[in-house]
Amino acid sequence: NAGVTQTPKFQVLKTGQSMTLQCAQDMNHEYMSWYRQDPGMGLRLIHYSVGAGITDQGEVPNGYNVSRSTTEDFPLRLLSAAPSQTSVYFCASRRRQGVGNSPLHFGNGTRLTVT
Amino acid sequence: AQSVTQLDSQVPVFEEAPVELRCNYSSSVSVYLFWYVQYPNQGLQLLLKYLSGSTLVKGINGFEAEFNKSQTSFHLRKPSVHISDTAEYFCGIRDAGGTSYGKLTFGQGTILTVHP
Repeated sequence: NAGVTQTPKFQVLKTGQSMTLQCAQDMNHEYMSWYRQDPGMGLRLIHYSVGAGITDQGEVPNGYNVSRSTTEDFPLRLLSAAPSQTSVYFCASRRRQGVGNSPLHFGNGTRLTVT
Repeated sequence: AQSVTQLDSQVPVFEEAPVELRCNYSSSVSVYLFWYVQYPNQGLQLLLKYLSGSTLVKGINGFEAEFNKSQTSFHLRKPSVHISDTAEYFCGIRDAGGTSYGKLTFGQGTILTVHP
């Protein structure tokens, strides 16, 4: 039972490069989200999705794009990486609101460094 | 708008001592409350959650938390810690209604270090 799988685990980019962080879950969760974790700031929500074809912005969406073409996958795209995007990124999923009030299930994170 | 404040960024304790990690929140609506733990180089795992009912909630690994509505607090406690409890702990809240699509707002985190 894989849960939430994030790839890659580590990535180094140069300023201006683009890349996609992958996230997949095998629990048939409707809700998926991306957080970034920075020291002293906790986790901040970047984007989220409540189902295939539906996405919305979180607290810190600038510089990131997302799409949700399937229930399982929720990739996060950095179009032009900046040093301020150096962070640890977590993908998380859960069953939709109102169904058992289920908690978030987290992936193990992607550590991104932008030089 | 919702916010969560974890009052201590770092808490050092000795093994077998009791510990309390403090969490205060602000919200204009009813919320669900959560505590998550993050071990080094891992994602977050749920420790416990408060949805409704009894204000004292028991979680995994001997942790418990008490919801205090009047003080808008949800402090995490353990009567006797172990070395293996060394980790970062996050308090989180989520709108109990259906308008926020279940977005979870986290505090800044508290690093618990247990010394032998």
